[in-house]
Amino acid sequence: QVQLVQSGAEVKKPGASVKISCKASGYTFTNNYIHWVRQAPGQGLEWVGMINPTTGSTTYAQSFQGRVTLTRDTSTSTVYLDLNSLRSEDTAVYYCARGGLGASRGAFHIWGQGTMVTVSS
Amino acid sequence: DIVMTQSPDSLAVSLGERATINCKSSQSVLYDSNNKNYLAWYQQKPGQPPNLLIYWASTRESGVPDRFSGSGSGTDFTLTISSLQAEDVAVYYCHQYYSTPFTFGPGTKVEIK
Repeated sequence: QVQLVQSGAEVKKPGASVKISCKASGYTFTNNYIHWVRQAPGQGLEWVGMINPTTGSTTYAQSFQGRVTLTRDTSTSTVYLDLNSLRSEDTAVYYCARGGLGASRGAFHIWGQGTMVTVSS
Repeated sequence: DIVMTQSPDSLAVSLGERATINCKSSQSVLYDSNNKNYLAWYQQKPGQPPNLLIYWASTRESGVPDRFSGSGSGTDFTLTISSLQAEDVAVYYCHQYYSTPFTFGPGTKVEIK
């Protein structure tokens, strides 16, 4: 079945970096954009950015520009989110989600289980 | 950026009764060339990722019960649960995927009265 499986929880100190993964299976990896969405404890959903798995091109939300990098490995059907200069406000569950078929604009039909990132001294 | 607002913030509905959630976008999410509204609705239960219910404003995702329906166009949208069931207790989010940054509404919490 189609699924996205994310890496496990992370605990980091302020100023550090974190890299989390999202492995896709059950479909052709390069057919759909992958998005990242985060959710701080008790809060709503915030879009972080997206990657085109075919070309590797990325688009980021302005609030994350310069701190976030999305990459992909087509040989393992895995997308990575790298976030640096972590601060306490980055404490959140980070979700990957599968977007549109061959298009950057599409609803998020499939979601990963989420990765909790805790930033604490 | 397109700002999404939802009303109410929360609502309590009796089992079997109708629940209605409204969503408004700060600009139109209707794409003229294909006449599609780039608007989705998600349900999120505690400790779980969001689950897609409706996309293109009114297309029900496969496997979603038909008591869930979406309507609206342009800037004003509605999610209706025609007969609330116990398992529908959750937070519901609207989402525009018309333009980046893609944005979500703040959520509406649905509870049983």
